[in-house]
Amino acid sequence: QVQLVQSGSEVKKPGASVKVSCKASGYTFTSFGVSWVRQAPGQGLEWMGWVSAYNTSRNYAQKVQDRVTMTSDTSTRTAYMELRNLTSDDTAVYYCARTTVTTLFDFWGQGTLVSVSS
Amino acid sequence: EIVMTQSPATLSVSPGERATLSCRASQSVSNNFAWYQQKPGQAPRLLIYGPSTRATGVPVRFSGSGSGTEFTLTISSLQSEDFAVYFCQQYNNWPMTFGQGTRLEIK
Repeated sequence: QVQLVQSGSEVKKPGASVKVSCKASGYTFTSFGVSWVRQAPGQGLEWMGWVSAYNTSRNYAQKVQDRVTMTSDTSTRTAYMELRNLTSDDTAVYYCARTTVTTLFDFWGQGTLVSVSS
Repeated sequence: EIVMTQSPATLSVSPGERATLSCRASQSVSNNFAWYQQKPGQAPRLLIYGPSTRATGVPVRFSGSGSGTEFTLTISSLQSEDFAVYFCQQYNNWPMTFGQGTRLEIK
């Protein structure tokens, strides 16, 4: 069965960076992309970006494009999202989601809580 | 970017009754539209896409309709496990955007 397993919770200070991983199993990794979506406490869903698992294509949301890097490693079937220069506004649960060729998010990871506090 | 507007923000319905949730896009998204269900402490789950195709394992009481800019999710007979937050999403244009959510609560 398709599974996306994310890394554990992180606590960071303002100005720091965080790197969240998303390990995929149960499907052909290179046939799909991976998107990252975050959810601030009590808020809605915000798409952050997408990375292809089969080539070097990426697409980032304008809001974070200067601070985020998304990568994928086919050898370990793992996608990564690094966010730099964190502020308290980045406190959220970060989800990875398998993304089809039509950009539908059909399976999601369990989420990773990133807390930013001084 | 395309703005997705859901209504109502909160919907109170009794178990066994029908629930109808709406979502409007600020411009046409063709049929590249999806509904997600999110329960407390859980990741969103894909319910409906395309916008009337149920995802694998989704009960037949969930149905979706619409195209272009107006979409509807109907739950024909609410079960206790259906009380959750529902998000709509367009995947027609970058950036992909979500509605703010409709909280479906027990009346």
